[in-house]
Amino acid sequence: DGGITQSPKYLFRKEGQNVTLSCEQNLNHDAMYWYRQDPGQGLRLIYYSQIVNDFQKGDIAEGYSVSREKKESFPLTVTSAQKNPTAFYLCASTGGAPVGTGELFFGEGSRLTVL
Amino acid sequence: AQSVTQLDSQVPVFEEAPVELRCNYSSSVSVYLFWYVQYPNQGLQLLLKYLSGSTLVKGINGFEAEFNKSQTSFHLRKPSVHISDTAEYFCAVRRAAGNKLTFGGGTRVLVKP
Repeated sequence: DGGITQSPKYLFRKEGQNVTLSCEQNLNHDAMYWYRQDPGQGLRLIYYSQIVNDFQKGDIAEGYSVSREKKESFPLTVTSAQKNPTAFYLCASTGGAPVGTGELFFGEGSRLTVL
Repeated sequence: AQSVTQLDSQVPVFEEAPVELRCNYSSSVSVYLFWYVQYPNQGLQLLLKYLSGSTLVKGINGFEAEFNKSQTSFHLRKPSVHISDTAEYFCAVRRAAGNKLTFGGGTRVLVKP
């Protein structure tokens, strides 16, 4: 079945360590997104990519980095510069031209806890 | 830039009672509007969307929403809720010519037996 796969589902990290969250989609979508979710704050956009080898900062990009070397993959690295990285991270994608009707398809999420 | 306000952070409701979740947005241009549902520790699932045309939109699981341009609102309703509707609901907006979705803070619905 087509969909978005995020891994790992749960991740623990010590302060000062970088960690990379994986996001893979087989929906043949051009655009991919990373959101951060904190209780009571909804979803906030970290980075997005509309095409391979191109990406843009979202509203809270500081302390994060991404790459888009393949259409189906959009990994997110949470660096040690991110001051409060404990959160639920959601990857999403959308297709169409240019970005269709904007409906996002979401992965199951990755919960990162910094110890 | 657009913004979304969900006026209620939590809504308790009894089983088989109706529920309405309020959503207001601000944007100076044409927008698309969405409602998503999130069950615990899962991703978001689309309930319904408004792109154009009829202002009353029907979605999955018996939900519907009405787009009101003059009041810049997109409230979600269900005439009779089930225990399984316990979840968090997010309203979202995107400029019709844009490529980013902006989410509200979410409304947590707790259905009581």
